[in-house]
Amino acid sequence: KAGVTQTPRYLIKTRGQQVTLSCSPISGHRSVSWYQQTPGQGLQFLFEYFSETQRNKGNFPGRFSGRQFSNSRSEMNVSTLELGDSALYLCASSLNVQGNSPLHFGNGTRLTVT
Amino acid sequence: KQEVTQIPAALSVPEGENLVLNCSFTDSAIYNLQWFRQDPGKGLTSLLLIQSSQREQTSGRLNASLDKSSGRSTLYIAASQPGDSATYLCAVGDSNYQLIWGAGTKLIIKP
Repeated sequence: KAGVTQTPRYLIKTRGQQVTLSCSPISGHRSVSWYQQTPGQGLQFLFEYFSETQRNKGNFPGRFSGRQFSNSRSEMNVSTLELGDSALYLCASSLNVQGNSPLHFGNGTRLTVT
Repeated sequence: KQEVTQIPAALSVPEGENLVLNCSFTDSAIYNLQWFRQDPGKGLTSLLLIQSSQREQTSGRLNASLDKSSGRSTLYIAASQPGDSATYLCAVGDSNYQLIWGAGTKLIIKP
């Protein structure tokens, strides 16, 4: 079974631009969660999508948004990029809602904002 | 509000030793607890998931225990190897199926 796939692996953007990250979950998994990881703040929860509906949202500004498609694939969008958005963005999928079944993570997208 | 703490933040031990990593949580009303490892620049790998009704789970050289009454979980690694070097994180699942994460323990196994 293929694991969680995140694309692209690396991204370099400039301040003010927007970016879209993609995540393909494990086949059959209905939940996709997104996390931001930085050396200073550690792992921070962005949002979770389950059956195309946003189920939970972390404490991030509205510039961060996401969606989930009918095939469970998910995209995350960040608009008006800031230098502080530089981070490793991780996607995780689970069979059921996160916290109810094991999470499987992708290798992440490394975003650098200059 | 649930808080999850992992102490120490970093640990270095010689190869071959048995070791214990700690995870503490403030609210005993948890649904489950998961342990993960993360290698540098990579995603997290799920190691063990303990349901709130369970006391421990084992996978190979890893054994995780859960004591809800004291708000503690431990991850025991037997006969440590250099390949065990990674950051280990625990996450507590609450009654709303949200995950609350610890900051992790960075483990270094010296050959």
